[in-house]
Amino acid sequence: DQQVKQNSPSLSVQEGRISILNCDYTNSMFDYFLWYKKYPAEGPTFLISISSIKDKNEDGRFTVFLNKSAKHLSLHIVPSQPGDSAVYFCAARLRGGTSYGKLTFGQGTILTVHP
Amino acid sequence: DGGITQSPKYLFRKEGQNVTLSCEQNLNHDAMYWYRQDPGQGLRLIYYSQIVNDFQKGDIAEGYSVSREKKESFPLTVTSAQKNPTAFYLCASSVTSGGRRAEQFFGPGTRLTVL
Repeated sequence: DQQVKQNSPSLSVQEGRISILNCDYTNSMFDYFLWYKKYPAEGPTFLISISSIKDKNEDGRFTVFLNKSAKHLSLHIVPSQPGDSAVYFCAARLRGGTSYGKLTFGQGTILTVHP
Repeated sequence: DGGITQSPKYLFRKEGQNVTLSCEQNLNHDAMYWYRQDPGQGLRLIYYSQIVNDFQKGDIAEGYSVSREKKESFPLTVTSAQKNPTAFYLCASSVTSGGRRAEQFFGPGTRLTVL
């Protein structure tokens, strides 16, 4: 049962344009959402996060939007740069219970930014 | 520099052998985690520990074992009972598992190949 889904395996964008990465979830007990960036053969690095009580969080070129009614979040990168080319994972944290704090990850989206 | 170290970077094992992957952090984090990543899949949680001398099974714990005798260290043993051990293994840590900041910080990973 995939509770966090990234339905686009890959995305290709021109340098300078906007990249939009999408993520859907099914569990309404998630209270915190995160985006990670990962290069091959390296560990993921944290990018940006958003609490379920907010609908937008911005950090430089990165903005995350959360639509709770649709159980959907997206990561916007503006402007996109070739160095942004990597795999992007969304993750969600469970609220409460013995599993409190566990992160559930999506399958990842490969972003390629062309010069 | 504070961070998470994993060793070795690459590990080869013969079928039927147990192998232990090292994970050390000097971030003074209470919680530590082990994930595996397979091609085209997200990160799947194997085990996690919220405090010393305590740990819980994640989603795919079968064939794995862990210990948490020190705050800084969370070694993972891949036993011969693990049917498909070839994967990229990632260790992570966080301040707490359920605090306001949910970010987990990842090590560089260990690529395990079973021959």
